[in-house]
Amino acid sequence: AQSVTQLGSHVSVSEGALVLLRCNYSSSVPPYLFWYVQYPNQGLQLLLKYTTGATLVKGINGFEAEFKKSETSFHLTKPSAHMSDAAEYFCAVRLNDYKLSFGAGTTVTVRA
Amino acid sequence: GAGVSQSPSNKVTEKGKDVELRCDPISGHTALYWYRQSLGQGLEFLIYFQGNSAPDKSGLPSDRFSAERTGGSVSTLTIQRTQQEDSAVYLCASRSGLAGTLDEQYFGPGTRLTVT
Repeated sequence: AQSVTQLGSHVSVSEGALVLLRCNYSSSVPPYLFWYVQYPNQGLQLLLKYTTGATLVKGINGFEAEFKKSETSFHLTKPSAHMSDAAEYFCAVRLNDYKLSFGAGTTVTVRA
Repeated sequence: GAGVSQSPSNKVTEKGKDVELRCDPISGHTALYWYRQSLGQGLEFLIYFQGNSAPDKSGLPSDRFSAERTGGSVSTLTIQRTQQEDSAVYLCASRSGLAGTLDEQYFGPGTRLTVT
């Protein structure tokens, strides 16, 4: 069965520094992978997704993620953190045509 | 409305009481999901509706949990005889149900349930 594991439940970065959030997947079939963001007191919203094709995927708000089959990873990055990036981030994998499985989440804190 | 709405936004209840949580999906969305978000646990799938039927209710933790959807729209998640371990944020999401829209789940802001 497909699953994702997010490494690190909390990440603290300085404003302007690189944001790196780690996600590893387990899948017996080519995975469809997603990153969602949850701002305080809000629901989740889709940041980006990988289905097929280009392995470097660009999303909203300057985030991008790279699918690396050899490493079974789909890490999320942003070159320069902004205070507004403080949120919780979830990696997810497609289980079937109606269901996703989410990771435990990583909370990002941005220091001024 | 423009998005998925949930009510109440916060609910505090005493152990043993029943609670009902409501979800109003985006108009026209045939697929509806309930998730539970506990501290450090990520999102736990509870149940999936397609129209008024629930082909997947495999995530409901016990028979104290039930959900229904009427008119292909509003859904209610009911927890009977609440326990302290039921304390969590309950999220609802909807999507159009069309093929290829799996990732386009639109989430509500959630209901924070606290069982005392």
